Amino acid sequence: GDSVTQTEGQVTVSESKSLIINCTYSTTSIAYPNLFWYVRYPGEGLQLLLKVITAGQKGSSRGFEATYNKETTSFHLQKASVQESDSAVYYCALGNSGGSNAKLTFGKGTKLSVKS
Amino acid sequence: GGIITQTPKFLIGQEGQKLTLKCQQNFNHDTMYWYRQDSGKGLRLIYYSITENDLQKGDLSEGYDASREKKSSFSLTVTSAQKNEMAVFLCASRRDSSYEQYFGPGTRLTVL
Repeated sequence: GDSVTQTEGQVTVSESKSLIINCTYSTTSIAYPNLFWYVRYPGEGLQLLLKVITAGQKGSSRGFEATYNKETTSFHLQKASVQESDSAVYYCALGNSGGSNAKLTFGKGTKLSVKS
Repeated sequence: GGIITQTPKFLIGQEGQKLTLKCQQNFNHDTMYWYRQDSGKGLRLIYYSITENDLQKGDLSEGYDASREKKSSFSLTVTSAQKNEMAVFLCASRRDSSYEQYFGPGTRLTVL
C-alpha cells in the first residue's frame, strides 16, 4: 500500500527563523506519485498549499517550498523565515494518479506554532 | 469559485444509533470523497464516488454506508455509532482533470 510519514506532533519555531517539516513516502501503487502539502489554518478548512507532480521538480507557495526527491522518496516542506500567520497544521499527502480513481494518502499532520 | 458545505457542523448521537452526514458542492466536480480525521492520525479515506450513483470503498469503509444520488451531493451514514468513532469527518471533491481536492469544513461527531 501507500504510506506517508511526516514530522510528528508539534513544532515550535520563533518568528523569522527557518522551518523544515520532514515528509517521506512509500508506495506500491504507482512508480511516481503526485505529492502535496495541505494546510489547515485555525478556524478554516483544509486547503492545498502546494503540489508537485513531476519527480525532481520544486513547488512553492506563500514562501514555502518542497522538492520532490525520488531517490530519497522525500518531499520536505521548508520556509526560510516563518511568520506568526504560518501557525497551522500541515499535512503531507501522496496521490496515486490524476485519473478519476485518484486517491490521496495523508500523513498524520504536523502542528506548527510560531512564537513572536 | 465554489464551496463545499457539510451538515451538520456538530453531530451528537447515542451508541448504536444510525447517523447521517451530508455534503454538498457547487463546483460541479466529478469525484467526491469522505475522510475521517482522528486526533494524531491524519485523514483516512472512508468512501469515494467518481460520478452520480457510483460508490468506491476506501480503507475505512466498514461500519459506514454512502450515497451519491446527485452529482452535487454525497452522504455518509454511520450504521451503528460506536464510542471510539468520535472524530471529524471531512468531505472533499475534485474535478477529474485536476489533482487538487477541495475540502469542506467538517462535521465533528460525538458519541455518548
